[in-house]
Amino acid sequence: DAKTTQPNSMESNEEEPVHLPCNHSTISGTDYIHWYRQLPSQGPEYVIHGLTSNVNNRMASLAIAEDRKSSTLILHRATLRDAAVYYCILRDVSNQGGKLIFGQGTELSVKP
Amino acid sequence: KAGVTQTPRYLIKTRGQQVTLSCSPISGHRSVSWYQQTPGQGLQFLFEYFSETQRNKGNFPGRFSGRQFSNSRSEMNVSTLELGDSALYLCASSQPGLAGFNAGELFFGEGSRLTVL
Repeated sequence: DAKTTQPNSMESNEEEPVHLPCNHSTISGTDYIHWYRQLPSQGPEYVIHGLTSNVNNRMASLAIAEDRKSSTLILHRATLRDAAVYYCILRDVSNQGGKLIFGQGTELSVKP
Repeated sequence: KAGVTQTPRYLIKTRGQQVTLSCSPISGHRSVSWYQQTPGQGLQFLFEYFSETQRNKGNFPGRFSGRQFSNSRSEMNVSTLELGDSALYLCASSQPGLAGFNAGELFFGEGSRLTVL
C-alpha cells in the first residue's frame, strides 16, 4: 500500500474552515483516497473518500489535486466536536476488505 | 441499526495469561477486521475474517489469533500475554461494496482496552 504524509498536528478556531493536507506522491491509478477520524476514546469513523474528482458529503469535502499526489480534507465550519485525529489512507480499488494501513494522522484541536 | 459491539470494554491480565475478545458486527456485515492501537505504534492491522475465513493477516506473532463464526461474530485471542500487548483492540465490520460507491466503508467499535501487568 502506498504511503501518505500528514502534519502531526493542526489548530483551528471554532466556526472557521479547516484544511487538512495529505501528501501521497506514490499513489497509483487504482488507489482511492480515504479519510477516517478518531475522536477521543472512540474507534475511527469514516469521513469521506474519492478517486479523482472533488467530493462532498454532509461531514466534509475532499479536494484532490489534478496529479492526485496530494489531497485536502476540508471541514467547512469547525466545531469543538471535530477535535480528533484525522487519518488519510490510500486504498486500492481491488481492496474491498477490512485491511487499512493507518499512518500517524493529524491531531486537530479546535479552540472556542 | 446497532453498531459494532465489543466486549469486554476493559480488562486487566497478568503476563503469561491469555485473553479472548469478542466482536459483534453490524447486522448483515460479513467482514470483521481487528486492529491494535498503542501510543507508540498507532493503529496496526491484525487480521480480517470474511465468511469464517481469514482473508488478510498483519505482521503480528502467532500468539495473536482469531476466528469468525457463522453468524459473523468474531473473537480474537492473545496467548502468553506480554507487557507490550497492553493496547486498545479495535474491531471493524464492513460489507464489501462497489468500488467508488461505498468502497467497503469500515465501521469501528469502541474497542477493548487491555492492560497487562
